[in-house]
Amino acid sequence: GEDVEQSLFLSVREGDSSVINCTYTDSSSTYLYWYKQEPGAGLQLLTYIFSNMDMKQDQRLTVLLNKKDKHLSLRIADTQTGDSAIYFCAENTGGFKTIFGAGTRLFVKA
Amino acid sequence: SQTIHQWPATLVQPVGSPLSLECTVEGTSNPNLYWYRQAAGRGLQLLFYSVGIGQISSEVPQNLSASRPQDRQFILSSKKLLLSDSGFYLCAWTGTGGTQYFGPGTRLLVL
Repeated sequence: GEDVEQSLFLSVREGDSSVINCTYTDSSSTYLYWYKQEPGAGLQLLTYIFSNMDMKQDQRLTVLLNKKDKHLSLRIADTQTGDSAIYFCAENTGGFKTIFGAGTRLFVKA
Repeated sequence: SQTIHQWPATLVQPVGSPLSLECTVEGTSNPNLYWYRQAAGRGLQLLFYSVGIGQISSEVPQNLSASRPQDRQFILSSKKLLLSDSGFYLCAWTGTGGTQYFGPGTRLLVL
C-alpha cells in the first residue's frame, strides 16, 4: 500500500544546512511535496516536484528525488531560527488522496 | 486568488456535547475538499473528503460526520464528542492539479 516515512526529529545549528529525508512506497507517484507547519498553524506548501524531475531548486530550498530508491529529500541552506517547524513529505499518485508522512520536527539552535 | 477559512480557531467543549466546524473556500469552483485531524505531535489523519456537493467519502469509522451543503463549504460535525476527539482539525482543498492547500486549522479540546 501507500506509505510515506520520515525521521521524526532533526537538530541543526543556525547557518548550517538542514537535510530532511523521506521515503515513499508508491512508484506511480506523480507529484511529491514538502509542506511546512509552524506551531498552531496549518500546513504551508513549500515546494513540489514532478516525478520526472531529479532536482528542483527554489532560493534556499533544494529538493532531490531518487525514483529508483523512492527517496525524496529537502535541503535548506543557511538554516535560520525561523525555519524551526515540522516538515511534511507527501505524495500524490494523481487520485483524490495525498499521502502524508508523520512529519520531521526541525530544531534550529542559535 | 484562492483563500480557505476555518472557524472557530479554538474550541473547548465538554464530553457529550455536539460539534460543528466550518470550512469555506473562496476564489475557486468545484474544489475537492478534505478534513484531517492532527493529534498532538502527530501526523495527519484523513477523516473525510468530498468531490462535490452532497458527496462525502469517509476514511475512518468514528463518531464524526461531514457534510457539503454548498460547493465551497465543508462542515465537520459530531452529535456527542468524546475525549479522543481532541486535536487540531485541518481543512484543505485541491484544484485540478491535485495539490492540497490548507486552512489555518481549528484546535478542539474536549474536557
